[in-house]
Amino acid sequence: DGGITQSPKYLFRKEGQNVTLSCEQNLNHDAMYWYRQDPGQGLRLIYYSQIVNDFQKGDIAEGYSVSREKKESFPLTVTSAQKNPTAFYLCASLGQRENTEAFFGQGTRLTVV
Amino acid sequence: QKEVEQDPGPLSVPEGAIVSLNCTYSNSAFQYFMWYRQYSRKGPELLMYTYSSGNKEDGRFTAQVDKSSKYISLFIRDSQPSDSATYLCAMSVDWVQGAQKLVFGQGTRLTINP
Repeated sequence: DGGITQSPKYLFRKEGQNVTLSCEQNLNHDAMYWYRQDPGQGLRLIYYSQIVNDFQKGDIAEGYSVSREKKESFPLTVTSAQKNPTAFYLCASLGQRENTEAFFGQGTRLTVV
Repeated sequence: QKEVEQDPGPLSVPEGAIVSLNCTYSNSAFQYFMWYRQYSRKGPELLMYTYSSGNKEDGRFTAQVDKSSKYISLFIRDSQPSDSATYLCAMSVDWVQGAQKLVFGQGTRLTINP
């Protein structure tokens, strides 16, 4: 079945550590996105990528990094520079066709301990 | 001013009621309009999708887009307790005009009481 897979579902990070969140899709979608969701704040865009080897900063990119070496994969690294990383992280992909629809993964909940 | 405004609620209605959820926006370039439903601790799932203006109906759900007023709505008829979730509106500009970036509303938390 086609879809988006995020892993892990829950992630715990110690202060000062970098962690990488995985996002894989088999929908043959060109565009992929990373969002952060905090209570009462909706979804905020971190990074997005329209094609392989190209990506752009979103509204809250500081403290995060991404790569897009393959069309299917768009991993997000939360670096130690991110001061408040505890949040729910969502990956999405979007198809480049007339009936454009975005599909989301099930999310990764990151907690700093 | 945010590009997309959505009342966060919470909104609580009795089972069977008609629910109206709304978003306003400021960017006239938006062409694609979506509604997502998100259950607690889950990823959002696409509920309705509309291109440009007009209405779209799918079962108990109706999406309306009024581009002249920069206003979109989602109506839920015969609401059920299983409809209790957070509803997010999302919008984007025409794909061919450049990099596509989804813009989301804050989300409205809806509770349907049995």
